[in-house]
Amino acid sequence: GQQVMQIPQYQHVQEGEDFTTYCNSSTTLSNIQWYKQRPGGHPVFLIQLVKSGEVKKQKRLTFQFGEAKKNSSLHITATQTTDVGTYFCAGRSNYQLIWGAGTKLIIKP
Amino acid sequence: EPEVTQTPSHQVTQMGQEVILRCVPISNHLYFYWYRQILGQKVEFLVSFYNNEISEKSEIFDDQFSVERPDGSNFTLKIRSTKLEDSAMYFCASSDERGAYNEQFFGPGTRLTVL
Repeated sequence: GQQVMQIPQYQHVQEGEDFTTYCNSSTTLSNIQWYKQRPGGHPVFLIQLVKSGEVKKQKRLTFQFGEAKKNSSLHITATQTTDVGTYFCAGRSNYQLIWGAGTKLIIKP
Repeated sequence: EPEVTQTPSHQVTQMGQEVILRCVPISNHLYFYWYRQILGQKVEFLVSFYNNEISEKSEIFDDQFSVERPDGSNFTLKIRSTKLEDSAMYFCASSDERGAYNEQFFGPGTRLTVL
């Protein structure tokens, strides 16, 4: 079946370091969404990418959608404690959102 | 700001019992969804609902699951005969008239524990 692979599963960073998570789909996606889930919370929509090669920025967050519309990445520059949580990509194929397994961002004390 | 609400926040039930999880989507939204998340794991799509019928469902959504929009505001998920492996957080979500291709707003979830 259709899958969206997301790596890494965890990333430990020092505050101020960068963080990146990658998603790769087995099929071409019509769009891809990114969500953030804080510990104990629910997924919250961050952004949607639709066009091939699209790049969008939200302050320290940069989102990319690959040329083939099969992969995407989220990059956070200079992480802060408020960035802690799990970041999920969710690729749209037909009417269903296929979710990646998430990357948990952990800030080292 | 409008939000999706879910009740109860935590439901404990015995294996084999029926449970109904309730959701009130954002009032002008037209598309409704149920997801589940086993603790610490990925978010899994269960079902989407539009125009009073199921538009899409996953392999997880078998005959023991059903959804209903009994009135103009509630959206429910029924699990007929719960199993231990149904223990998870269940999230309801909704999206507006731009629908299935737009952002989804999630409720806070119902934690279901099956004993």
